[in-house]
Amino acid sequence: EPEVTQTPSHQVTQMGQEVILRCVPISNHLYFYWYRQILGQKVEFLVSFYNNEISEKSEIFDDQFSVERPDGSNFTLKIRSTKLEDSAMYFCASSDTTRQTQYFGPGTRLLVL
Amino acid sequence: KNEVEQSPQNLTAQEGEFITINCSYSVGISALHWLQQHPGGGIVSLFMLSSGKKKHGRLIATINIQEKHSSLHITASHPRDSAVYICAAQKTSYDKVIFGPGTSLSVIP
Repeated sequence: EPEVTQTPSHQVTQMGQEVILRCVPISNHLYFYWYRQILGQKVEFLVSFYNNEISEKSEIFDDQFSVERPDGSNFTLKIRSTKLEDSAMYFCASSDTTRQTQYFGPGTRLLVL
Repeated sequence: KNEVEQSPQNLTAQEGEFITINCSYSVGISALHWLQQHPGGGIVSLFMLSSGKKKHGRLIATINIQEKHSSLHITASHPRDSAVYICAAQKTSYDKVIFGPGTSLSVIP
């Protein structure tokens, strides 16, 4: 069964460094999403992406965040200058043209020191 | 007020018990998701509902659109069902999914 994959599974970085989280959505999906979950808190929406554009973003998704689909298979989330409070699990999801359900990746656990 | 609420927050059950987790939401939705989050953090989608009822194995999900309420039932619970169960509302005309706080289920042998 097709699945969403994410790399790396874990990343440790120093405050102020840039990180890129990578996702490979299901191959025929056209809608892509990033969510994050700070430890002990609920999952929060960050951004949705369609047709090479951001379609919606939350107030969390400020100028330090960016998303890109650099090629036909990858979908990336870049955090330009990480802060301690960016430490969280980041989930990628994708859906097909019906947008009836979103398929989640396993997550990347980011720790900012 | 949170847009998606769940009850109970924590639930401990004996193996074999019938379990119900409730979700209420205050927004217009196009779909309601039930998700399972394993202790390692990964999320698995269990159901997507827009009306009625769905069944998959020992799991049953129901939704009442008028009352803005959904339930997840687990029959004959097993220790491997221990996880956090999350209700999430996909808002009408929007892409984003709003997550509930989750219900932590522990099934004891």
